[in-house]
Amino acid sequence: DTGVSQDPRHKITKRGQNVTFRCDPISEHNRLYWYRQTLGQGPEFLTYFQNEAQLEKSRLLSDRFSAERPKGSFSTLEIQRTEQGDSAMYLCASGNPGQGYNEQFFGPGTRLTVL
Amino acid sequence: DQQVKQNSPSLSVQEGRISILNCDYTNSMFDYFLWYKKYPAEGPTFLISISSIKDKNEDGRFTVFLNKSAKHLSLHIVPSQPGDSAVYFCAASLSGGYNKLIFGAGTRLAVHP
Repeated sequence: DTGVSQDPRHKITKRGQNVTFRCDPISEHNRLYWYRQTLGQGPEFLTYFQNEAQLEKSRLLSDRFSAERPKGSFSTLEIQRTEQGDSAMYLCASGNPGQGYNEQFFGPGTRLTVL
Repeated sequence: DQQVKQNSPSLSVQEGRISILNCDYTNSMFDYFLWYKKYPAEGPTFLISISSIKDKNEDGRFTVFLNKSAKHLSLHIVPSQPGDSAVYFCAASLSGGYNKLIFGAGTRLAVHP
């Protein structure tokens, strides 16, 4: 297994357009997390799934944001009607507490630029 | 409110010396703490963690110390190497690391020859 992968790595879009990002976690991991990171800040939690169930959403996740993990494997994060303030690095992480370790493993991120 | 704070945005250390990165937190309910390292254009990479029931954890050149009464933790890197140059993030969790992580803003470490 090569770790958490994210696609695309970079996305440039115009304000008002919709974008969708994909995350493929480490295969045996049942938890999948989304974070957002802006310049000079640490990652901020957005939402997380256990298998296909979305267990928590941050208040940062406005109604323009939606995340899914339909089969408990990969996940998508969609942003509708993008705004310039959405420009950030979107990070995905996965983990499996049942395997006895607590850390989350991060993917390389998708950098979004909204013009 | 910023529950996890890394007050030093940058640190410069000579190769072979000790690097000490600090982190303060405000929520006494945090029970698990982690350090991540991040290189440019990559996601954060897990380094080391510590449970609130311990006050020290070591892994090779990396040691994390936890002072619960002061709500303070630190990461020691000995000896520092040029490859350690990166941004280091402290993170905390309310549920053993299983749920969301709350990150500090990071400290950029530069190790020079």
